[in-house]
Amino acid sequence: QKEVEQDPGPLSVPEGAIVSLNCTYSNSAFQYFMWYRQYSRKGPELLMYTYSSGNKEDGRFTAQVDKSSKYISLFIRDSQPSDSATYLCAMRDPFAGDYKLSFGAGTTVTVRA
Amino acid sequence: KAGVTQTPRYLIKTRGQQVTLSCSPISGHRSVSWYQQTPGQGLQFLFEYFSETQRNKGNFPGRFSGRQFSNSRSEMNVSTLELGDSALYLCASSLRAQGFGAAQETQYFGPGTRLLVL
Repeated sequence: QKEVEQDPGPLSVPEGAIVSLNCTYSNSAFQYFMWYRQYSRKGPELLMYTYSSGNKEDGRFTAQVDKSSKYISLFIRDSQPSDSATYLCAMRDPFAGDYKLSFGAGTTVTVRA
Repeated sequence: KAGVTQTPRYLIKTRGQQVTLSCSPISGHRSVSWYQQTPGQGLQFLFEYFSETQRNKGNFPGRFSGRQFSNSRSEMNVSTLELGDSALYLCASSLRAQGFGAAQETQYFGPGTRLLVL
């Protein structure tokens, strides 16, 4: 079983819809949670970063972390065709000696105009 | 400020050959991490370098190696290529190295080198 599970999709939504993405994880020591967006033929870029549990909002994007359920979510409101990309979740245990990020497989999202 | 650059962008090799990929981090960044991205396994951590020292290595065979130079530029080398090494190799830089118990350093990714092994 992978440490971080993410439904690869693909997910197709009409413009203006709410996009809901999520990841589950098994390592309860993860405390830093990130969402990256990756456009085709590009490297990932950091979208949102949260520490421990709770919600964080940035414009049309909202990230939620539920550590009790080991579940994180990303919501995109009023989705635009420019949001079409692959979204990757990533997380880290700050007290692990390996310092590495563990990534989900990524969910491919298409927003239809 | 220029972003992370990786060269070459595309590469075709045959089994048994070796390959060297290059990464130039954002100016002032001293930490460079390498990742392998494949459709099946997603993004997997290869190794991180800081101040010319490898701080950590992922679960990859010894055929995968890297180094970092005094100007923070980094190279990774894969020897005796196998078909399964076909992937997008991503480099990411950050200002500082990831620290024990410390806040997450933001990593900035380059566009990657797409390697195809025939």
